[in-house]
Order: sequence, then C-alpha cells, then structure tokens
Amino acid sequence: DGGITQSPKYLFRKEGQNVTLSCEQNLNHDAMYWYRQDPGQGLRLIYYSQIVNDFQKGDIAEGYSVSREKKESFPLTVTSAQKNPTAFYLCASSIGGNAYEQYFGPGTRLTVT
Amino acid sequence: AQKITQTQPGMFVQEKEAVTLDCTYDTSDPSYGLFWYKQPSSGEMIFLIYQGSYDQQNATEGRYSLNFQKARKSANLVISASQLGDSAMYFCAMFQGFQKLVFGTGTRLLVSP
Repeated sequence: DGGITQSPKYLFRKEGQNVTLSCEQNLNHDAMYWYRQDPGQGLRLIYYSQIVNDFQKGDIAEGYSVSREKKESFPLTVTSAQKNPTAFYLCASSIGGNAYEQYFGPGTRLTVT
Repeated sequence: AQKITQTQPGMFVQEKEAVTLDCTYDTSDPSYGLFWYKQPSSGEMIFLIYQGSYDQQNATEGRYSLNFQKARKSANLVISASQLGDSAMYFCAMFQGFQKLVFGTGTRLLVSP
C-alpha cells in the first residue's frame, strides 16, 4: 500500500531537548512538506522540499530544521530554539509542483514539558 | 498576501440533510486553486475536492460539491445527504505560489442521528 508514514504517533520530550520527527513516503512523490497545527487553528507551513537535497523555509521555520537526503524521507528536527514546540505535526507529499495533489500522513503529536 | 476565512467555528446538521460550509478567500493572483480537506478526530487530513480559478464549472466529487462564486471570492463546500461519518473538522485552503497551501481555521461539523 502506498502512503505516508509518520512515527511515532505521540512523542514526549523535556524542554531544552532537540527531537526529530520522522516522515517517509512510498508514493514516489518529488515534493514533501511539514505543517504545524495548533488547537483550533489551521495548518501552517514549516518547511517544504521540491527535490532531494533542496528545501525552502515556510511561514514558521524558526526553531526547526529539515534534511532531504533521500526522495522518500523528510525528517523534521524541532530544536530547543523553538519557543512553543507542543503541537500536532503533519507531513505531506505531492507529485512535482502540483499543490493540489498533497497527501497527508497521520501526524505526530509532540508534547514538550 | 493570500488569506482564507472560515467564519463558522461549528455547524450542526441532521443525518441525511445537506449542509453548506462557508469559505471566503483573498488573493490578487488571477491563477489559484481552492481545496477542501476533512480532518477526523484521528488527525489525518483527507483531500475532498479541488476548484481551479479558471474552471468554468463548479467541482463535484460524490456527495461533495463546491459552490464557487469568483466575483464574491467564495468557495463554499456543500455536503449532501450528511452521514454520521461526516462529523469532523473541515478546512478550506488555497495554494499560494508554486507549492504552498494556505489554510483557514476550520469548521467543526457535527452530524446528529
């Protein structure tokens, strides 16, 4: 079955620690995205990548970092510099540059205390 | 800058009835795309329907249709014959530039028996 996997579903960390969220897709999509969702809010774009070894900042990139060493994988690191890291994080992918074909993973709920 | 507005924080509908979820948008680009996504309590985002700015006809996908009024900059989602499984958050979104989706704050739909 083709799709996007994010692990783990729930993640707990202590304040001051970096944490990496996993995102893997087997849809052979070129573009991948990371979004953040806060309670009662829509999704906000953190980073996106159109091809391997290339990525661009989204609207709220501060305190986050990404890498795209393989087409299938786009991990997101939430650094200690992110002031409010507790949120629901969604990864998505799309075919080439067509934004209307974004497919989403199940999400990771990160809680930092 | 592009902006999506969803003014209904919550909507209630009885099973088998139709419901309209409102979405207005603001953009100066003549070329854009509008989307509706469904987010069940499990968290994943499910693509429902897409409307391009140059599409002559309103988009339809099964029980979902998009009431696109370009002059009024509105893209309302109509769900016909509501089912209990339609209870979820619904997000309107618009693509911005080549890759980025801008989301509204969402509408929570509750379908009662």
